[in-house]
Amino acid sequence: DAKTTQPNSMESNEEEPVHLPCNHSTISGTDYIHWYRQLPSQGPEYVIHGLTSNVNNRMASLAIAEDRKSSTLILHRATLRDAAVYYCIPTWMKTSYDKVIFGPGTSLSVIP
Amino acid sequence: NAGVTQTPKFRILKIGQSMTLQCTQDMNHNYMYWYRQDPGMGLKLIYYSVGAGITDKGEVPNGYNVSRSTTEDFPLRLELAAPSQTSVYFCASSYSGRDRVVKPLHFGNGTRLTVT
Repeated sequence: DAKTTQPNSMESNEEEPVHLPCNHSTISGTDYIHWYRQLPSQGPEYVIHGLTSNVNNRMASLAIAEDRKSSTLILHRATLRDAAVYYCIPTWMKTSYDKVIFGPGTSLSVIP
Repeated sequence: NAGVTQTPKFRILKIGQSMTLQCTQDMNHNYMYWYRQDPGMGLKLIYYSVGAGITDKGEVPNGYNVSRSTTEDFPLRLELAAPSQTSVYFCASSYSGRDRVVKPLHFGNGTRLTVT
């Protein structure tokens, strides 16, 4: 399975952009990269996913390195509501791809 | 659509008791998952199912059982509750078609279980 490495924690000032990195050096060519976040006392929620090219949606942008060994989740203007744990998850397209395994994620604090 | 519904929201069990955590989804998703999250920790996959009648173990299946008799329901059974099973349990569902691309997971609000 593809392994991921994320910082344990990050801080951002409110209304500033936030770049959350994820290393997934063992990713294969058919692995999608999914990002989820978990607000305090809630279940995780889907943020964004991509395969090769950069992706945008109303919540965030996902920048994927050309070699696909890393990706960055970009929150364009952090709000207090963005304080959460962010998980980067490669979804493996081989026989065990059905398992969606969460790592420890990055705990993002947003300072008013 | 209600999405993924988990019941109960809270439960306290005594050591050795048994219970079933219920999970139902109304999105016609074929994939369903059970996770547990211990205080201050990440999510661990307990069991998952890729369709009715098919289940498989995740990372931490010991002490739990599951069944998937219908597309909508995926109950999680604790037979002999132990304090180590004190956790928040999340159920999730997703859809994967012939392209086998994993679509985003939809999570329930969780069941907070305490075993004393």
